[in-house]
This record gives sequence, structure tokens and C-alpha cells, in this order.
Amino acid sequence: RKEVEQDPGPFNVPEGATVAFNCTYSNSASQSFFWYRQDCRKEPKLLMSVYSSGNEDGRFTAQLNRASQYISLLIRDSKLSDSATYLCVVLGGSGGGADGLTFGKGTHLIIQP
Amino acid sequence: GAGVSQSPRYKVAKRGQDVALRCDPISGHVSLFWYQQALGQGPEFLTYFQNEAQLDKSGLPSDRFFAERPEGSVSTLKIQRTQQEDSAVYLCASSRTTNEKLFFGSGTQLSVL
Repeated sequence: RKEVEQDPGPFNVPEGATVAFNCTYSNSASQSFFWYRQDCRKEPKLLMSVYSSGNEDGRFTAQLNRASQYISLLIRDSKLSDSATYLCVVLGGSGGGADGLTFGKGTHLIIQP
Repeated sequence: GAGVSQSPRYKVAKRGQDVALRCDPISGHVSLFWYQQALGQGPEFLTYFQNEAQLDKSGLPSDRFFAERPEGSVSTLKIQRTQQEDSAVYLCASSRTTNEKLFFGSGTQLSVL
């Protein structure tokens, strides 16, 4: 079983809609969780960290469910500029090396005008 | 420098050639990671340095892959006798210390013909 699993999509969503996607992880000892954003032919960039209590940054909300071993990302009032691949990232999974990050394959989001 | 710098940006190699990919991390960053990203996939961990020490190389796919960081700053990823399956984007990332935010370079896109 892959360490970090995501639905690859693509998710085609009209501008202004709310979209959410989940990510599951297999290593219950994983310590920290993140969402990274990657634009086409660009490097990944940190979008937000995911805290146990859940956290919100503007239109973006991230949540962690340790019992079910998944994290989620919710985007409200989606913008065209939100179109990108969203990578679920886990710190402390064995697939990332001793101190490294394990990435999911990413969820491709397309916001349509 | 202002960010993580990688060179070359693009590299085309004939099968069997050796290649060397360079990463110049943010000045003062202790941790340095190499990732391999195939088309449509998330980044896969290759190796990790803390200063000049290579603490984890469990992700290197074969003994044709070799990485070094002799003075604890610039790192080189070398691939000997390249194969077509080595074609991918090679991403370098650095962080100030362990478990801190990762900053990625723009990557080197390697195409092996």
C-alpha cells in the first residue's frame, strides 16, 4: 500500500464553487502533515501546514483526522488561479527518509470560468 | 542566494552517458534533500544531507546514482550510465534545520534518449 494516497482527479470545478479533497496516509507514527501546491512545470511550494485542531488560511481550510489517518483540504470561493496540483505531504513516513517528506501523487484541480 | 538554485534547468543525455546535476541551497541551510519526480507523479525521496553528512540514501534507485555535498553547501547528484527510466525532474530542497519548512529549487528536467 502506498504511504500517502490521493485521488489524482482531475477535479473540474466552476469558479466560485467550494471543492474539497482528502488524502490518506498509512504510517500511524507520522508526525506532521502539509499541503503543497505545484503549478505546471514549477517546483512544489508550501500551501499550509495541517494541525490536529484544524487550521484556516483565508479561503483554505485544512483538517487532520488521526483516528482515520486522513487529512483534507477545503477551498472556498475558488478562483481561476487556484488551478494547480495539490500535493499531500507527510513528515515521518518511512518513504521520505529519516527526516524527509513523503509526497502523494497529487490531486489535479482545474477551476473553470 | 535568495532561493535554491539548480543547474542545468534542462539536460538531454544519450543513454549510457553520465550526468551531474547541481544544487545550490539557500545559504546557511543545514538540511538538503534530493527528490525525483516523474511525469504525473509526486516527488519521490532520493537522499538527504545534514551539512556534509549523507544521513539517508535509501531512496537512490540504483548504484548508478551518487550524491555528495563535500563542504556542506553545494550538492551534486551524479547519475552514471543513464537509462531511459531515469528521465524525470530532479528537485533539490533545503531547510534551515531538520523539520523546518522546505524550499525547493526549480528542478532539473533530465531527458534520456
